[in-house]
Amino acid sequence: GDSVTQTEGPVTLSEGTSLTVNCSYETKQYPTLFWYVQYPGEGPQLLFKVPKANEKGSNRGFEATYNKEATSFHLQKASVQESDSAVYYCALGDTGSFNKLTFGAGTRLAVCP
Amino acid sequence: DAGVTQTPRHEVAEKGQTIILKCEPVSGHNDLFWYRQTKIQGLELLSYFRSKSLMEDGGAFKDRFKAEMLNSSFSTLKIQPTEPKDSAVYLCASNWGVNTGQLYFGEGSKLTVL
Repeated sequence: GDSVTQTEGPVTLSEGTSLTVNCSYETKQYPTLFWYVQYPGEGPQLLFKVPKANEKGSNRGFEATYNKEATSFHLQKASVQESDSAVYYCALGDTGSFNKLTFGAGTRLAVCP
Repeated sequence: DAGVTQTPRHEVAEKGQTIILKCEPVSGHNDLFWYRQTKIQGLELLSYFRSKSLMEDGGAFKDRFKAEMLNSSFSTLKIQPTEPKDSAVYLCASNWGVNTGQLYFGEGSKLTVL
């Protein structure tokens, strides 16, 4: 079956430093890839998605490139803020219905002022 | 528009009890999902409905977990009998039914089984 593996957290950074959260996936399909973010006390919400290989997605200063050859989709941000503290989930969408998502275990990010 | 509403927000059960969690999806949404959230496994799919029809019933969860959509605006997840390993946050999510991958999640129901 499909699987997603991502950086094990927690990740603790100081404000202004750069972030990379690794994500790799396994599937026999040609999936759409997603990053979701979950703030404390809330449900996960879509950060951005990328449906095609070699394309980049971005939102709120975060970005990730769909690397089909490496089966990776790493999340990056050049300069994190305290408000970025959250849990980040990498996910892939089933080809037949890419509303049916397979999520990774999540990476908790704590940003200190 | 109202988002996804889940009740109760917190539930404490004794081992062996039956618990029912409830979900009201966003009005007009046709896809509904139940996920279990733990720190170790992350988000695991329990059930998936499209237009009230059960599309997927997560294999590992079949024996004690049963999700139903009584109508297009209400779903339940029954766990019977509960075990301590079921302690987790249960998330409900919905989508229009168009393949966008954008799921709208509720805040979750936190279950503790003693």
